Amino acid sequence: EVKLLESGGGLVQPGGSLRLSCVSSGISFSSYAMNWVRQAPGKGPEWVAVISGSGDSTYYADSVKGRFSISRDNSKSTLYLQMNSLRDEDTAVYYCAKPLFLGATEYYFDLWGQGALVTVSS
Amino acid sequence: SSELTQDPAVSVALGQTVRITCQGDSLRRYSPGWYQQKPGQAPVFVIYGKNNRPSEIPDRFSGSWSGDTASLTITGAQAEDEADYYCNSRDSSVNHPRVVFGGGTKLTVL
Repeated sequence: EVKLLESGGGLVQPGGSLRLSCVSSGISFSSYAMNWVRQAPGKGPEWVAVISGSGDSTYYADSVKGRFSISRDNSKSTLYLQMNSLRDEDTAVYYCAKPLFLGATEYYFDLWGQGALVTVSS
Repeated sequence: SSELTQDPAVSVALGQTVRITCQGDSLRRYSPGWYQQKPGQAPVFVIYGKNNRPSEIPDRFSGSWSGDTASLTITGAQAEDEADYYCNSRDSSVNHPRVVFGGGTKLTVL
């Protein structure tokens, strides 16, 4: 079965850290750039970051640059998002998303995980 | 950064046709993707490019795209089509693979 499964969400205080994981199955994981997309309560999706298939290139949304770090372990078919200096406005469901086509600039996301809820609150 | 604008809400009578639009400067350069999202679920990819549909998506869903505007059309809307719909594309204002999403359209099937 083709799927993505996130884990690692939870409640964290402002200024704290959290690491999300996304395990893939049924896809040639290392062939695809992988993305994190988040969705705050009642809002539309917001793209967060992308990492190339090899892991050599990463790009971030301005809202998380310098605080979040995307990485991957192709031997484990796993994507990560290290989130530091968390703020209230980072509260959201975080999805990992696979693009339809190969390439780090692809933005048609044809496979999404079920999401991991991150709540930043004191 | 580029933005994509969608009408917040649209309604359609059961079995009728509805069009959901998405407008933004980035669409002059990059083709749109469309997603359906039901409450508590992850988005589902429904249309990409001018009018391409993943095999599992019913053919009542179709797309169009010209200039700065893209549209998602549902011909013969069903009760199960009631959902939020989002468009996306690349941000054309930067030399960077930033992705932008529209604010979403809530579709009500009457």
